[in-house]
Amino acid sequence: DAGVIQSPRHEVTEMGQEVTLRCKPISGHNSLFWYRQTMMRGLELLIYFNNNVPIDDSGMPEDRFSAKMPNASFSTLKIQPSEPRDSAVYFCASSCRWTGQCNTGELFFGEGSRLTVL
Amino acid sequence: KQEVTQIPAALSVPEGENLVLNCSFTDSAIYNLQWFRQDPGKGLTSLLLIQSSQREQTSGRLNASLDKSSGRSTLYIAASQPGDSATYLCAVHGSSNTGKLIFGQGTTLQVKP
Repeated sequence: DAGVIQSPRHEVTEMGQEVTLRCKPISGHNSLFWYRQTMMRGLELLIYFNNNVPIDDSGMPEDRFSAKMPNASFSTLKIQPSEPRDSAVYFCASSCRWTGQCNTGELFFGEGSRLTVL
Repeated sequence: KQEVTQIPAALSVPEGENLVLNCSFTDSAIYNLQWFRQDPGKGLTSLLLIQSSQREQTSGRLNASLDKSSGRSTLYIAASQPGDSATYLCAVHGSSNTGKLIFGQGTTLQVKP
């Protein structure tokens, strides 16, 4: 199994630019999570999806952030316009739960996308 | 609102010591609890997963326990090695159909040779 795949691994951009982060969850997983990690705030849950449907986006900082999951194998997190305070490592994670075939809820993380906004 | 706390924030021990990392949570209605390891600049690696109906899980030198009633979990590392140096995070999975996974701030462990 390839694991959770995120791209890009590193992104450096200028303030005001649009940033799109991508995630491919583990095949067969039905829950997908986007987290942000900074030294000051630790790991913060931004949004999560069950069966491609956004369940809770209360962690999304503001309207500049948006996330989509058009199908079970792909999700994006978009920041538009980006600001220096958005600099962080963004993690995508997936798990399998609330189904008859796979119900452990064990969470698997990607390697993260390190975003630097100048 | 579920809150997860890990104590201590940092720990330094000599090689070979047995050690315990602590995790506490405020809402005992959980689906499972998971311990992760994170090396600097890397992603999170799952170490152990304890379902709400279980009391402990073991993997090699690692043993994790769960006491839902008191809202506590411990990660026991036997015979620590320098390669165990990393940040250890616990995360609690909510029990509702829309349960979130909430993380503690982590314990940064340094094992000195």
